[in-house]
Amino acid sequence: AQSVTQLDSHVSVSEGTPVLLRCNYSSSYSPSLFWYVQHPNKGLQLLLKYTSAATLVKGINGFEAEFKKSETSFHLTKPSAHMSDAAEYFCVVRPGGNEKLTFGTGTRLTIIP
Amino acid sequence: NAGVTQTPKFQVLKTGQSMTLQCAQDMNHEYMSWYRQDPGMGLRLIHYSVGAGITDQGEVPNGYNVSRSTTEDFPLRLLSAAPSQTSVYFCAQRGGSDGYTFGSGTRLTVV
Repeated sequence: AQSVTQLDSHVSVSEGTPVLLRCNYSSSYSPSLFWYVQHPNKGLQLLLKYTSAATLVKGINGFEAEFKKSETSFHLTKPSAHMSDAAEYFCVVRPGGNEKLTFGTGTRLTIIP
Repeated sequence: NAGVTQTPKFQVLKTGQSMTLQCAQDMNHEYMSWYRQDPGMGLRLIHYSVGAGITDQGEVPNGYNVSRSTTEDFPLRLLSAAPSQTSVYFCAQRGGSDGYTFGSGTRLTVV
C-alpha cells in the first residue's frame, strides 16, 4: 500500500522569498511522484513529475523537486515566491505498474505582499 | 483543461435522486478515472478504467457505478444520492508519458 504525507497544511511566505513544501511518501514499488497545483475553484495542473529518471526534477513556473529515496521525500521548492503562486499544492504517488494515484491532503500556500 | 471535458459544472440533487456525471476525452487514451475532493482530504479515487470494457474500484467506490463502453467516455453514476456524496468530482485521463490530465470538475451538492 502507498501513502503520502504533506507535512504542512498551510505555508506562508513573503513575496520574493524561497518556498519549501514538504512531502514524504511510502510505496511498495518503485513509484512515480507528482506535484499538482490547484488555484481557487479551478482544476488541477501538473507542476512536475518524477518517473525514475533524474532525481532533481524541474517543472513549470520555476518550481523544482528532488526525489530522495533514502529519506522517502519529494519536497517542492522555488527560489523566489510570486503572488501568483498562492494556491493549494498536492503531492501524489503512483506505485510502479499501478494506476491508483494516492494524493496527499494538500498544502495551502499563502504569499504575503 | 484541454483533453478532458466534464459536465455539468454544478449540480444540486435531492437525497435519493439519481444522476450521471459525464466525462469525455479526445486523446484516445486508455486510462481514465474518477476522484472526489473533500476539504482536508485531498483527492480520493472512486473508480478507474484501463480501457473500454474494463473498470475497477478505487478507494471509495460505494454508492457509485461506472461503465466504459467506448474509449472516449467514462460516466459516473449515482444511483441514489446521499448528503455524504456532496463533493467536487474530477475526471482524469493518462497519456503514455505518465502524465495525468484532470477535468475542470463538477461541484455536486446533495440536500
